Amino acid sequence: DGGITQSPKYLFRKEGQNVTLSCEQNLNHDAMYWYRQDPGQGLRLIYYSQIVNDFQKGDIAEGYSVSREKKESFPLTVTSAQKNPTAFYLCASSIEWGQSGTEAFFGQGTRLTVV
Amino acid sequence: AQKITQTQPGMFVQEKEAVTLDCTYDTSDPSYGLFWYKQPSSGEMIFLIYQGSYDQQNATEGRYSLNFQKARKSANLVISASQLGDSAMYFCAMRGWTQKLVFGQGTRLTINP
Repeated sequence: DGGITQSPKYLFRKEGQNVTLSCEQNLNHDAMYWYRQDPGQGLRLIYYSQIVNDFQKGDIAEGYSVSREKKESFPLTVTSAQKNPTAFYLCASSIEWGQSGTEAFFGQGTRLTVV
Repeated sequence: AQKITQTQPGMFVQEKEAVTLDCTYDTSDPSYGLFWYKQPSSGEMIFLIYQGSYDQQNATEGRYSLNFQKARKSANLVISASQLGDSAMYFCAMRGWTQKLVFGQGTRLTINP
């Protein structure tokens, strides 16, 4: 089945450690996204990528880094510079907007807790 | 810059009533797409409906319809005959030629029996 896989579902890390969240898609989508969601809040864009080897900062990129070496993969690293990393992280992908069926498909999310 | 505004933090309606969730947007893109998603307590994001900025007619998908008023920059979601299972967070989103996909703050909808 085609879809987006985020792993792990739950992640616990000690303060000051970097942590990498995985996002893999087999939908052959060019565009991929990372969002952060705090309890009861909306989705805030961290980074997005339109094509392999290219990505842009979203609205809250500070303390995060990404790479896009393969079309299928868009890992997110939460660095020790992120002041308050505990949150729910969602990854999404879509075909390029401007074509039909342009909705984004989401993974199941990773709940990160920093202790 | 793109921005989505949802001004209703929470809505409470009786089962079987219709409900309108508000969404206004701002963008400098000449063409764009508007989306609505539902997020149950499980956290998954469920796509509901899409409206292109050049579409002449309002989008409909089953019990969902999108009231698109381009001049007012609004894209309200209308749910007809609400059901208990409609209780969830609802997000409006927008995407243009930059491919940047931005979301609003969401509206928590509660359907009362």
